Amino acid sequence: DTEVTQTPKHLVMGMTNKKSLKCEQHMGHRAMYWYKQKAKKPPELMFVYSYEKLSINESVPSRFSPECPNSSLLNLHLHALQPEDSALYLCASSQTPGQNEQYFGPGTRLTVT
Amino acid sequence: DQQVKQNSPSLSVQEGRISILNCDYTNSMFDYFLWYKKYPAEGPTFLISISSIKDKNEDGRFTVFLNKSAKHLSLHIVPSQPGDSAVYFCAASSSGSARQLTFGSGTQLTVLP
Repeated sequence: DTEVTQTPKHLVMGMTNKKSLKCEQHMGHRAMYWYKQKAKKPPELMFVYSYEKLSINESVPSRFSPECPNSSLLNLHLHALQPEDSALYLCASSQTPGQNEQYFGPGTRLTVT
Repeated sequence: DQQVKQNSPSLSVQEGRISILNCDYTNSMFDYFLWYKKYPAEGPTFLISISSIKDKNEDGRFTVFLNKSAKHLSLHIVPSQPGDSAVYFCAASSSGSARQLTFGSGTQLTVLP
């Protein structure tokens, strides 16, 4: 099983809503990542979790709140987002934090209205 | 400041011919390089990688070449197939960056039947 799953596939939310994105992997990977990708741009790293602990936060606004409940799950809680936050949100995992190869999920297409 | 650059936004190749995708980098600390393929509405899929101690890595139809002195790498696909049509991202990492991936802006490859 080399799959990273993400739900939902699509999400439309208003600026006052609270929603969560979910990511799951069952490969025993101990590092998990959130990326944001705008159209025709490369993925940009947001957060890194190493062994279920937040190790890197790339100066992401507090309206994005990550959570790692266990080694297989990664959530991204969203609150008071802006229209410019509309993007594809990608989750990835790697076997260890020091391993280069990251495996990506299909992403959640988020639209903020 | 783009540390990883893919200067060709698009490339069209006839089926059966060779596709050559190029990538340049500026950070001499990068010591590992990866290529990802991305179809629309899907997450990036890991294709092939190369460590800076090598100058070539081959996997089936895919070969990556690294020229450290020129800070340049390329992905060769031979023979190209219509199913190879996708956006290809080059990525780089260094041990000093906790193995974070820095992506290029991508090249849209279209393989014409």
